[in-house]
Amino acid sequence: GAVVSQHPSWVICKSGTSVKIECRSLDFQATTMFWYRQFPKQSLMLMATSNEGSKATYEQGVEKDKFLINHASLTLSTLTVTSAHPEDSSFYICSARGQTRDYGYTFGSGTRLTVV
Amino acid sequence: LAKTTQPISMDSYEGQEVNITCSHNNIATNDYITWYQQFPSQGPRFIIQGYKTKVTNEVASLFIPADRKSSTLSLPRVSLSDTAVYYCLVGMNTGFQKLVFGTGTRLLVSP
Repeated sequence: GAVVSQHPSWVICKSGTSVKIECRSLDFQATTMFWYRQFPKQSLMLMATSNEGSKATYEQGVEKDKFLINHASLTLSTLTVTSAHPEDSSFYICSARGQTRDYGYTFGSGTRLTVV
Repeated sequence: LAKTTQPISMDSYEGQEVNITCSHNNIATNDYITWYQQFPSQGPRFIIQGYKTKVTNEVASLFIPADRKSSTLSLPRVSLSDTAVYYCLVGMNTGFQKLVFGTGTRLLVSP
């Protein structure tokens, strides 16, 4: 079945630094990927839609200059949290849907970001 | 996108059948109903999807009445490992429509 690999699974960084999270579709091509953020005991909140070869579409209230998304190939999308601050600490999850997948979306395992 | 409403939480015991109902009054003609399961610190995992009537797979059943304004996820004989958050989502089965998650239902299974 469709597999989405997300790395790293957890990362700790200092305030003011940038962190890159990778999301790869392993056995299918994903022209569109989605990035979510999830705070403890809360639901997933859609941050942006990543489109291969074009600019990402950000949800209202999400700072595009802070959360840089690059979707340079059909199998890789990256989310870079720039100048991270403690309030950016969260669980980040990507998802993708292959061209031929009939049922649902496949999600990555998530990345736990802690900014200290 | 159709909005969904689910109970915030449910409690059950091992071996019991659990039914989680989701309300989606504004479901569109082309929308499918999909349920996901999420364990702590993991991404959601697809459980089951349906359009109408009943769908069954190896882990769950999905019941959808004729008006499709609600759906019920049925988990037979739950175990401790079924403790998770369950999300009901409504949307088209094709294309790349973004998924918007509701609150989900936090299921706690006790011994």
